Formats: sequence, structure tokens, C-alpha cells
Amino acid sequence: DVKVTQSSRYLVKRTGEKVFLECVQDMDHENMFWYRQDPGLGLRLIYFSYDVKMKEKGDIPEGYSVSREKKERFSLILESASTNQTSMYLCASSPTIGEKLFFGSGTQLSVL
Amino acid sequence: AQSVTQLDSQVPVFEEAPVELRCNYSSSVSVYLFWYVQYPNQGLQLLLKYLSGSTLVKGINGFEAEFNKSQTSFHLRKPSVHISDTAEYFCAVPYASGTYKYIFGTGTRLKVLA
Repeated sequence: DVKVTQSSRYLVKRTGEKVFLECVQDMDHENMFWYRQDPGLGLRLIYFSYDVKMKEKGDIPEGYSVSREKKERFSLILESASTNQTSMYLCASSPTIGEKLFFGSGTQLSVL
Repeated sequence: AQSVTQLDSQVPVFEEAPVELRCNYSSSVSVYLFWYVQYPNQGLQLLLKYLSGSTLVKGINGFEAEFNKSQTSFHLRKPSVHISDTAEYFCAVPYASGTYKYIFGTGTRLKVLA
């Protein structure tokens, strides 16, 4: 059974902290994505990666960075967390263009 | 670039009644179209997808959707809903032909009432 695993289900951080959100997939997928989900706004793409060490900005990359050192792992980094980054963060992967996305169960991040 | 509109933010419906969740996209060119479902406290999972061929697509849990190119719509339907269908539903399309990126609608929260 395919699996996308996000390391934390709930996370509470303080303003200004550096935050790491980890995502691992076991399907050997080329493409990985980070979305944030906010009520009434749906899912918005933060960053995606189509190969190891390759990344592209999505619609809302400001305040975020990513790292993909290995194919199976895609990390989202909040350099200096702010309260407006309180949100649900969803990681996803897909094998190729046009194929469905496989999602992790999400990390609910609260920045106080 | 594409855009996706889900006009209904919430849809309440009684159990065993039919339901239609609406999705319109911006482009008139052939596209891939997806519906995802998110149950409470879970990530999204694929309900169904349209890539090409028959415009009526059948998915899991008795859902189906019809691709209408002239109206640029991809509405999701189920003839008889269950309490367990209570969830949020998202329509999604690729940003553009040949891209890895997808754009999602704002979601429709389906509430099935007993």
C-alpha cells in the first residue's frame, strides 16, 4: 500500500522559531509537493520538487524553503515562524505528469 | 493558466438524497480533471479523474462526474448519499498542459443529515 508519511500530526511553535516539517514517501515517486490548507482558501502550493535537489516555487513561497537531498524525503522549512503561518500543511507525491497525487495526513501547525 | 471554481462552500443534504457538487475550470482546451475527498482529520484521497475518452467518469464510493467541455464543468454527483460521505470535496486541474503542478478549488463541505 502506498504511503506518504508526515512526521508530526500536530505541532506548536513560537514566533521566530525555525520549523522543520518532514515528509517521506515509499513509492519511488519523482515529484513531491507541499501545500497549505486554510478554510475557504482550499489548497495552495508552496513548493514542489520534480527530482532530487530540484525545486520550484509554487504560489506562496514567501517565508518558506525546502530541501530534497534524497528522493523519498521532502522537507519544508519555516525560517522564522510567524503567526500567519498557522495552518494545515499537506505533503503529496506523484509518479509523473497527469497522475494523481498521494497525500499525507497533514501537519496542523500552530505558531504562537 | 488554469483556474478552478467551486461555487458552493457548503452543501447540506439528507441521507439517501442525490447530490451534485459543482466545479468549473477556466480553460477550453483538453485537460486532466480530478476530484479528491478529505474525510475529517485525514489527508486527501482521489475520488476520480478524467484524462480522456468517455465524458462520464465513475469513481469510488458510488460517485461519478461528467466532463462538459462546452460548459468547462466537471460536476460531481452521487444518486444516494450516506452519512459516511460527510467530508470536504476538492476539484483540481493542472496549472497548464504538461505541468507537474495542480491547482485546487476552495472545496465544498458536504454535510449529510440523518
